[in-house]
Amino acid sequence: QSALTQPPSASGSPGQSVTISCTGTSSDVGGYNYVSWYQQHPGKAPKLIVYEVNKRPSGVPDRFSGSKSGNTASLTVSGLQAEDEADYYCSSYAGSNNWVFGGGTKLTVL
Amino acid sequence: QLQLQESGPGLVKASETLSLTCTVSGGSIRNNDFYWGWIRQPPGKGLEWIASIYHSGSTHYNPALKSRVAISIDTSKNQFSLKLSSVTAADTAVYYCARHLYYMDVWGKGTTVTVSS
Repeated sequence: QSALTQPPSASGSPGQSVTISCTGTSSDVGGYNYVSWYQQHPGKAPKLIVYEVNKRPSGVPDRFSGSKSGNTASLTVSGLQAEDEADYYCSSYAGSNNWVFGGGTKLTVL
Repeated sequence: QLQLQESGPGLVKASETLSLTCTVSGGSIRNNDFYWGWIRQPPGKGLEWIASIYHSGSTHYNPALKSRVAISIDTSKNQFSLKLSSVTAADTAVYYCARHLYYMDVWGKGTTVTVSS
């Protein structure tokens, strides 16, 4: 299984929206509605922000939203805030009790 | 509130075996609904799923690491463990343990393991 493909970087100004893509294959992203997204601040553990493509855990602002089309999933951060500056990782179930992550995207708030 | 804590040596010599333990508190590892897994992150790089285990003991491994990895569970101690053999510098990383279904919802803080030559 190969890592999912994410852009290395993304940026936006406060208040703007930014979308991060996550491209896989029909064996992972395209085959299951089990895409999740994680936010990681420097030196910290990842934090789940979206699961099962578009669901948010309790306490995660609705500024974070997920979607999927075919083999590509997307995370949209609306109303960018300074604290959203972090690394973001997607992940997908890949069948046969295997999980795969993306390479990560560094989000910069300008 | 469920908490996970990784423990183990921070320095391992090349060719030896890396051993880590994750201690679960605030809940039982016997919970029927979840897997317990290990994920690592090399310096400056992305996340990589290593292995997971179900409370029943059924194990699942990343195919790329399967030949070198073993995961086990001790329900009496509310712990699960990872062994990675024949380590090289490429195994230097922060190692996280996590609870998961199809997504990892509770993570430990991570422990740094450096492989020395």
